[in-house]
Amino acid sequence: AQSVSQHNHHVILSEAASLELGCNYSYGGTVNLFWYVQYPGQHLQLLLKYFSGDPLVKGIKGFEAEFIKSKFSFNLRKPSVQWSDTAEYFCAVNSYSSNTGKLIFGQGTTLQVKP
Amino acid sequence: DARVTQTPRDKVTEMGQEVTMRCQPILGHNTVFWYRQTMMQGLELLAYFRNRAPLDDSGMPKDRFSAEMPDATLATLKIQPSEPRDSAVYFCASGLGSSSYNEQFFGPGTRLTVL
Repeated sequence: AQSVSQHNHHVILSEAASLELGCNYSYGGTVNLFWYVQYPGQHLQLLLKYFSGDPLVKGIKGFEAEFIKSKFSFNLRKPSVQWSDTAEYFCAVNSYSSNTGKLIFGQGTTLQVKP
Repeated sequence: DARVTQTPRDKVTEMGQEVTMRCQPILGHNTVFWYRQTMMQGLELLAYFRNRAPLDDSGMPKDRFSAEMPDATLATLKIQPSEPRDSAVYFCASGLGSSSYNEQFFGPGTRLTVL
């Protein structure tokens, strides 16, 4: 069965620090990969997605993620975080072959950025 | 600015009572997903519909939960009878088309507390 693991449950950074959140998935076939963000009290919003092509994808608000197929990973990065990046971040995957759009989410990583 | 809407935003009820949550997908979207978010389990897919037909509700406790789409503009999730362990935030998401490439747009969620 598909699964998604986010190894960092809670990350605390100071403003301007660099960010990397880990995401690993378990699935043998072709997958589509997503990062969603949930700001306090708000709904989930799409940060970025990877379907094919360049494994380094850029999203909104200066975020990027790199797909490394050999490692089954899709880590999220940002060179310099801001206080407003405080939120919960979710990695998600769906199966290309299932063609349903059904997403499997990781447990989420809470990012706290100190001003 | 098209958005998924959910009502109510907050619901506090007593164990044993019936709870109905409603979702209005973005106009024109034909795929609707129901997710539940808890601290322990994270984000779990409960059910999803395509063109109003239920495709998968394997994530939903069948004895007490039911999901329907009376029409294309309304999806409902009902719990009867409710239990304290149902306390969670319930998100609805909608998408266009059935492809795994299609982005899901999330609603603001219904925070359910069962006492």
